[in-house]
Amino acid sequence: QSALTQPRSVSGSPGQSVTISCTGTSSDVGGYNYVSWYQQHPGKAPKLMIYDVSKRPSGVPDRFSGSKSGNTASLTISGLQAEDEADYYCCSYAGSYTFPYVFGTGTKVTVL
Amino acid sequence: EVQLVESGGGLVKPGGSLRLSCAASGFTFSSYSMNWVRQAPGKGLEWVSSISSSSSYIYYADSVKGRFTISRDNAKNSLYLQMNSLRAEDTAVYYCARDRSVASFDYWGQGTLVTVSS
Repeated sequence: QSALTQPRSVSGSPGQSVTISCTGTSSDVGGYNYVSWYQQHPGKAPKLMIYDVSKRPSGVPDRFSGSKSGNTASLTISGLQAEDEADYYCCSYAGSYTFPYVFGTGTKVTVL
Repeated sequence: EVQLVESGGGLVKPGGSLRLSCAASGFTFSSYSMNWVRQAPGKGLEWVSSISSSSSYIYYADSVKGRFTISRDNAKNSLYLQMNSLRAEDTAVYYCARDRSVASFDYWGQGTLVTVSS
């Protein structure tokens, strides 16, 4: 099972919006509405930001939104803030009884 | 407050074994599937293994199948990962994580570092 493809880095100025893509196949991202997104600051554990493609856990700012089209899921951060600078990973259900989950390659978000 | 605390990491020689533990508190442990996710130094996240609430369903990544064994003790609110035949490429921070729903993990431990080196 190959990792989902994410851009290595994206950047934006404070207040701007950035979008991170997560490309898989019809066997994972495209086949199920089970995509999640994680934020990870250096030296810290990942934090769940989005689940089931577009749902936000309690406490996650509504600046973070998720969507999916075909085999590509996306995370959009609106009104970028300095504390949003971190690594972001997507994760998808892969539908296999032997290999159910696959993560993305990760994207570094830089706030200019 | 939900807490997951991993332990058991350390330095081990190639071919050696290690057992990781994850102590859970603040929620009904026996009601949730649990997972191990690892992150090699400077690399991305890699799902390793999952176990259902009653241990009925267990899954492994191909990279660890046949070498790692996941288990849990609901009476002790604990998750385990027995790692045998360790390789240099198993070097990573190992996190335990709670299932929120399909393919989403809502609580993570702080991680425990496993280093495989001679």
